[in-house]
Amino acid sequence: GQQLNQSPQSMFIQEGEDVSMNCTSSSIFNTWLWYKQDPGEGPVLLIALYKAGELTSNGRLTAQFGITRKDSFLNISASIPSDVGIYFCAGQYGGSQGNLIFGKGTKLSVKP
Amino acid sequence: KAGVTQTPRYLIKTRGQQVTLSCSPISGHRSVSWYQQTPGQGLQFLFEYFSETQRNKGNFPGRFSGRQFSNSRSEMNVSTLELGDSALYLCASSLGSATWRQETQYFGPGTRLLVL
Repeated sequence: GQQLNQSPQSMFIQEGEDVSMNCTSSSIFNTWLWYKQDPGEGPVLLIALYKAGELTSNGRLTAQFGITRKDSFLNISASIPSDVGIYFCAGQYGGSQGNLIFGKGTKLSVKP
Repeated sequence: KAGVTQTPRYLIKTRGQQVTLSCSPISGHRSVSWYQQTPGQGLQFLFEYFSETQRNKGNFPGRFSGRQFSNSRSEMNVSTLELGDSALYLCASSLGSATWRQETQYFGPGTRLLVL
């Protein structure tokens, strides 16, 4: 089946540092999504990307839909302690609503 | 506007039992999707319901089933539970319009199921 390779698996950074994570796929996606999940909660959508090359920001977060449609990255600038959590990328390749393929997640730890 | 709610939040069952989980979508949302999240496999799509019909199905055995009611609330059922079914079960709702574009899905907090 389809797989998304998300890296890195985990990151330990100092408060104030910038963070970068990415996802790659062997298949083309029509949509890339980035979620954050806090312990005991469901994922919360951060950014949605719908066009190849699209660059979208949400506060300190910036994500891009790769030109090849097979990859995406998420940057967090000037990290703060509340950025701690697990970040997931997800790709969708069809027109159906349910067929999201998720990456395994990047666990972010921020040291104050 | 209230978010997606899931009940119960925690559940402990034993092997061989069956379980039913419930999901109430955001008001006005007609599509409900279910996902299983485990440390090993991550988030995996189970199925999606729209207008009381299963519209998409992931790669899970027939022990996993679901249904949707006319008010868009959805239930999923797992029969003959196995130890490997221990997981966080998440549901997500969206408007459900039939377009090519992925609609924003809003996730509930999940039901954590432990099978002993």
